[in-house]
Amino acid sequence: DAKTTQPPSMDCAEGRAANLPCNHSTISGNEYVYWYRQIHSQGPQYIIHGLKNNETNEMASLIITEDRKSSTLILPHATLRDTAVYYCIVRPPGLYKLSFGAGTTVTVRA
Amino acid sequence: DADVTQTPRNRITKTGKRIMLECSQTKGHDRMYWYRQDPGLGLRLIYYSFDVKDINKGEISDGYSVSRQAQAKFSLSLESAIPNQTALYFCATSDAKGYQETQYFGPGTRLLVL
Repeated sequence: DAKTTQPPSMDCAEGRAANLPCNHSTISGNEYVYWYRQIHSQGPQYIIHGLKNNETNEMASLIITEDRKSSTLILPHATLRDTAVYYCIVRPPGLYKLSFGAGTTVTVRA
Repeated sequence: DADVTQTPRNRITKTGKRIMLECSQTKGHDRMYWYRQDPGLGLRLIYYSFDVKDINKGEISDGYSVSRQAQAKFSLSLESAIPNQTALYFCATSDAKGYQETQYFGPGTRLLVL
């Protein structure tokens, strides 16, 4: 499995953009990058995923570098409700289990 | 996500009791999963099902059983509960399209075994 590396924690001011980095230098060509988040003790919530092109949805944007060895999740206007643990996952095709690492604990401050 | 519901949300039971956790989904997905989450251990897969007639063990299936009653329903049973099964349990569903598979999780069931 391609492993991911994320900073353990980061703070963000409410209303500002939050940029969450993830390194996945061993990613293979057909592996997608997924982002989930988990607000304390709630079910993990899917945010976005991508292969090599940048992606955007109503929650966030995903920027994947051209060599695909890293990516950045962007929350454009962070709110207090975005405080959560964010997980970057590289998922091999055919592997059904989602493996959540330690993630990045994001704290949005007023 | 209201598309995936779990009942009960909280449960306290005693050692040796048989209990059932239920999961229902309205997303129309064929694949369903049961995970447990313990502090510091992340999510661990218990069982998964790709359709009504397909049930597979995950990494920690001992002491658990499942039933896929319909496409929309996937139940997890603890045959004889023990204290180390105290955990947060999540059901998930997914749609698989080629190499892509996005899993959507329910709100979880907090189980305490005394």
